[in-house]
Amino acid sequence: GQQLNQSPQSMFIQEGEDVSMNCTSSSIFNTWLWYKQDPGEGPVLLIALYKAGELTSNGRLTAQFGITRKDSFLNISASIPSDVGIYFCAGQNYGGSQGNLIFGKGTKLSVKP
Amino acid sequence: NAGVTQTPKFQVLKTGQSMTLQCAQDMNHNSMYWYRQDPGMGLRLIYYSASEGTTDKGEVPNGYNVSRLNKREFSLRLESAAPSQTSVYFCASSGSQGSLYGYTFGSGTRLTVV
Repeated sequence: GQQLNQSPQSMFIQEGEDVSMNCTSSSIFNTWLWYKQDPGEGPVLLIALYKAGELTSNGRLTAQFGITRKDSFLNISASIPSDVGIYFCAGQNYGGSQGNLIFGKGTKLSVKP
Repeated sequence: NAGVTQTPKFQVLKTGQSMTLQCAQDMNHNSMYWYRQDPGMGLRLIYYSASEGTTDKGEVPNGYNVSRLNKREFSLRLESAAPSQTSVYFCASSGSQGSLYGYTFGSGTRLTVV
């Protein structure tokens, strides 16, 4: 089945830094989504992307749907302590079980000690 | 504004015991899902129900059974728990299987099998 490679696996942030993460796939998706999971909670949808090349922002978060439809990127500008958590990318296609989301393994953001 | 509600939030089982994880959504969604989350493994789909009356296996179904009791409720059963089933379990729902608006997740059940 389709698999997503999400990187980096983890990273440390200092308040005010910009953060970038990405997700790649061996096959195309029609939709890319980005979720954030706070400690002890379920994932929450941040941004959804529906079109190759699309760039969408949600506050300090910006995500892009790669032009090849095989990748997506998430940037966080001027990070703050509440940005810590696990960020998941997810890809989706159309039709039957292909409509099920495929999740990356997550990027864990922590605060620099 | 409950969304997806999972019970219990925490559970400790002995090897061989059985239990059912409950999930209910109040958004009139057609599709529901059960995932497990393990460190470094991301979210893996156990079972899903595209609509009331249907259920299908996901990526890691072995050792689990599900019941779509009605449109609102989707339960996950462990018949004979094993230590390998220690995990955090998430239930999710969506308007339809191919919904463009993603899934809404519950807050999880943390299960430990000793």
